[in-house]
Amino acid sequence: GIQVEQSPPDLILQEGANSTLRCNFSDSVNNLQWFHQNPWGQLINLFYIPSGTKQNGRLSATTVATERYSLLYISSSQTTDSGVYFCATNSGNTPLVFGKGTRLSVIA
Amino acid sequence: DTAVSQTPKYLVTQMGNDKSIKCEQNLGHDTMYWYKQDSKKFLKIMFSYNNKELIINETVPNRFSPKSPDKAHLNLHINSLELGDSAVYFCASSLTGTSLFFGPGTRLTVL
Repeated sequence: GIQVEQSPPDLILQEGANSTLRCNFSDSVNNLQWFHQNPWGQLINLFYIPSGTKQNGRLSATTVATERYSLLYISSSQTTDSGVYFCATNSGNTPLVFGKGTRLSVIA
Repeated sequence: DTAVSQTPKYLVTQMGNDKSIKCEQNLGHDTMYWYKQDSKKFLKIMFSYNNKELIINETVPNRFSPKSPDKAHLNLHINSLELGDSAVYFCASSLTGTSLFFGPGTRLTVL
């Protein structure tokens, strides 16, 4: 099945800094999603982005499907951005496979 | 509010007991899922239902039995609970092949 690797596993930022989170996947995919799990455990869908670039406020994501990676950009980070960021992907009708996540801590 | 909801939020029980978790979505989605998140935050699919039909049944002990009475509901019943079943269980829904939306999770603790 598809392998999903996220990097870095942990990231500590000063408030206001920018960051880039990476998701590599092992096969052709037709679905790529980014999620944020906040410190209270809630999982929020950030982007559905099988290819191309999308932006939502301070967050943007780019997927280069031919090179099998996706990037999540966080600009001007805030303490509320803290939590775990997951990417997940699949191909065909297989279930979404999640990466192990990037744990982000934003310090004031 | 349009959302995925699940009850209860917390469940503490003794080994050997049977328990159920309920899930409802009012987003008009056709597919519902159960995911398990372990203590290391790893998320793994357990089951998936599309229009009330089971389409994904990963390697899960048969003590776990999902049931979908209609497209908007997906329940999870667990028999003979074991210590290793302690985890957070998330219900989720989507329209086939589109964004996945999660419920708030049920933290199950087996003593």
